[in-house]
Amino acid sequence: DQQVKQNSPSLSVQEGRISILNCDYTNSMFDYFLWYKKYPAEGPTFLISISSIKDKNEDGRFTVFLNKSAKHLSLHIVPSQPGDSAVYFCAASARIQGAQKLVFGQGTRLTINP
Amino acid sequence: DAGITQSPRHKVTETGTPVTLRCHQTENHRYMYWYRQDPGHGLRLIHYSYGVKDTDKGEVSDGYSVSRSKTEDFLLTLESATSSQTSVYFCAISKGTGLYGYTFGSGTRLTVV
Repeated sequence: DQQVKQNSPSLSVQEGRISILNCDYTNSMFDYFLWYKKYPAEGPTFLISISSIKDKNEDGRFTVFLNKSAKHLSLHIVPSQPGDSAVYFCAASARIQGAQKLVFGQGTRLTINP
Repeated sequence: DAGITQSPRHKVTETGTPVTLRCHQTENHRYMYWYRQDPGHGLRLIHYSYGVKDTDKGEVSDGYSVSRSKTEDFLLTLESATSSQTSVYFCAISKGTGLYGYTFGSGTRLTVV
């Protein structure tokens, strides 16, 4: 079963507006949540993360919100820029036998229109 | 850039042949991972390593084996490639802390014909 889900395969936003990407999870044992950004023909790159004991983390134009009661995570990008067009993966972290293991969602393709 | 490289970047192979993908890191990180990326599935964990000669299975390990004889190298082997193993394979490294996740390589695009 899919422990981390991104239900929107794609999202189109106008440049300068807010982009909101959503993610749902099922396992209450996850201790960190992360967002990765991926351009074609490149590996995913770390964008921003949040600990399960927090409900918000901000880094420049990027803010991640965590709603533990709803098991829901969202990434806000304000203002959106053309370079933000990419596939975004949310991921949840669990520590098993000392190793941090990330479980990824299916990804959302964000397109920023000029 | 980040000290992780994958080779080869692209490979086409025939069904039934063995294939080995290599991941090399210069960061001296303890943990290394192999993921595959497929449309509609995101990234799924194949195998991971928590030290030299210490490895364990991920969620999609069938048909794959791994080896780690040195800290810097993590090899993924498809013993007998099948068309269902056509995918993009990513290696990742981690210090083991949760807040910064993994650093990924650039990927290997494998096509099994």
